[in-house]
Amino acid sequence: EAQVTQNPRYLITVTGKKLTVTCSQNMNHEYMSWYRQDPGLGLRQIYYSMNVEVTDKGDVPEGYKVSRKEKRNFPLILESPSPNQTSLYFCASSLVGGSGANVLTFGAGSRLTVL
Amino acid sequence: GIQVEQSPPDLILQEGANSTLRCNFSDSVNNLQWFHQNPWGQLINLFYIPSGTKQNGRLSATTVATERYSLLYISSSQTTDSGVYFCAALSGFKTIFGAGTRLFVKA
Repeated sequence: EAQVTQNPRYLITVTGKKLTVTCSQNMNHEYMSWYRQDPGLGLRQIYYSMNVEVTDKGDVPEGYKVSRKEKRNFPLILESPSPNQTSLYFCASSLVGGSGANVLTFGAGSRLTVL
Repeated sequence: GIQVEQSPPDLILQEGANSTLRCNFSDSVNNLQWFHQNPWGQLINLFYIPSGTKQNGRLSATTVATERYSLLYISSSQTTDSGVYFCAALSGFKTIFGAGTRLFVKA
């Protein structure tokens, strides 16, 4: 089944404890991206990747890191989480980015709480 | 950057009613998508619609790119249509979401 898989789905952690949220897609998509969803704000893009080793900042990149060493994986890294990073996180992928056929497919979401 | 605005923010319908959701964007975009977020938080793609009109069952969407808006029509609404509807505009490689329309369909 074609899908985007995120792990963990739920996580409670403490301030300053590094964590990684994994994202993997099995559709050979070039484009992958991360979003956070907060009440009343919709989804905001954190980082995106156009292909292996090519990443760029979205609208809210502060406090996050990403890497794209393989086409299928795009982990989101919180080096020193803070309570304002408590949110619902989504990973998405599409065949290509930009003006191409970029129909986004989303993962199930990861709910992160930072105490 | 591009601004995306959705209206109305909230909508309550009686089952069987029709509705129109609107998405305005402030500049030209590569394309536009509509999503439904169900009560379990899943984001489901409804339409990929940079321009023109598409229909899928009781749902249809129209994007008029030159006037910078898109409309999502829901006909004969059902309780399972409840949730939040988002439009997302793609500009270059960036995705900008509207704040969503929260829909509740009463039985």
